[in-house]
Amino acid sequence: SQKIEQNSEALNIQEGKTATLTCNYTNYSPAYLQWYRQDPGRGPVFLLLIRENEKEKRKERLKVTFDTTLKQSLFHITASQPADSATYLCAAWMDSSYKLIFGSGTRLLVRP
Amino acid sequence: NAGVTQTPKFQVLKTGQSMTLQCAQDMNHEYMSWYRQDPGMGLRLIHYSVGAGITDQGEVPNGYNVSRSTTEDFPLRLLSAAPSQTSVYFCASSPRPPGPLNEKLFFGSGTQLSVL
Repeated sequence: SQKIEQNSEALNIQEGKTATLTCNYTNYSPAYLQWYRQDPGRGPVFLLLIRENEKEKRKERLKVTFDTTLKQSLFHITASQPADSATYLCAAWMDSSYKLIFGSGTRLLVRP
Repeated sequence: NAGVTQTPKFQVLKTGQSMTLQCAQDMNHEYMSWYRQDPGMGLRLIHYSVGAGITDQGEVPNGYNVSRSTTEDFPLRLLSAAPSQTSVYFCASSPRPPGPLNEKLFFGSGTQLSVL
């Protein structure tokens, strides 16, 4: 079956470093991947989208890459800040359906 | 605009009870959906709707009913609650259904449901 996998272990980094989160997909080729941020007790909020024909997309301190050979997307936050601490979710559109399927998310902790 | 509004925020039910989780959006979005979020399993799609009068099943529809009589509202009904339905439920909407035009979802703040 189609799956999206994210590292379930929390990522703990020092303020100022670059955080890198991984999203892997199996058994299909999504037309695009979306990344969302979720804070405790809140719903996810959309951050970025990258299409299969785009290698990289940037927005301020955020960068997303899409490697169709490795079946993987990487999400980078440069110059990380404690305010970036949250859970980050990856989502993919299932081609020819009306469904957006999510990974389980990776929790990021940025230490001051 | 209030965006996507979910009520209640918290609910405790006994096994076998029924209840309806409410979801309303004021953005005139065609597409609405319900997800449940459980630790380690991420967001799983329960049901979705591409417009008033049209609903369909997601990944985990069993035990849940939905209807879409208006564009604004998309209630989720639990007919006979079970402990396995203990979860956080999120309603989400977008202007059009997910597809090649890359619609992003707008989420409500969630309903935390416990079934004892």
